[in-house]
Amino acid sequence: EDQVTQSPEALRLQEGESSSLNCSYTVSGLRGLFWYRQDPGKGPEFLFTLYSAGEEKEKERLKATLTKKESFLHITAPKPEDSATYLCAVQAASGGSYIPTFGRGTSLIVHP
Amino acid sequence: GAGVSQSPSNKVTEKGKDVELRCDPISGHTALYWYRQSLGQGLEFLIYFQGNSAPDKSGLPSDRFSAERTGGSVSTLTIQRTQQEDSAVYLCASSLAGFTGELFFGEGSRLTVL
Repeated sequence: EDQVTQSPEALRLQEGESSSLNCSYTVSGLRGLFWYRQDPGKGPEFLFTLYSAGEEKEKERLKATLTKKESFLHITAPKPEDSATYLCAVQAASGGSYIPTFGRGTSLIVHP
Repeated sequence: GAGVSQSPSNKVTEKGKDVELRCDPISGHTALYWYRQSLGQGLEFLIYFQGNSAPDKSGLPSDRFSAERTGGSVSTLTIQRTQQEDSAVYLCASSLAGFTGELFFGEGSRLTVL
């Protein structure tokens, strides 16, 4: 069974204080690992897809990296508007099932 | 619209009543997913449709839950004889195809069962 564990559950940062969110996963062959951002009362919004260990993707202050067991979402010099819940999901390559398994998310609050 | 549309956005019902939640996916997307999100919990998979294939219903929590997708587009999730534990946000997502993996979500339907 595919499993995704995200840590920490909650993170409070001061504006400009860089940090990282962790996503540990177990999957029977990784097709893709996905990061989403979810604002209160909204559906998740797609951020990145990572396919293989060593791959990195960047978007503004966010950078996602991938190893064979975990992914990190690095937030550089965050701003209050980066406050949201960040979700990680994995999709297995085997079995023909394309159903992503999600973690519980990390709730990020950035104080001005 | 360009995005995934869900209705109603909010639904309050009494225990034992039936409810229907609707999802209109992005045009051209062949894969459609339903997830459930409870307070403090992750996204719980419910059902997956891919083109004209038989849906993957492996996540439906009980036989009170059912879903259909008509014409490869609009989907309806039906919950019969609602229970208080059914209270949650029901999220619909679509993608170009199942293997592409990147899901585009609607804003959800918040269901409250009194």
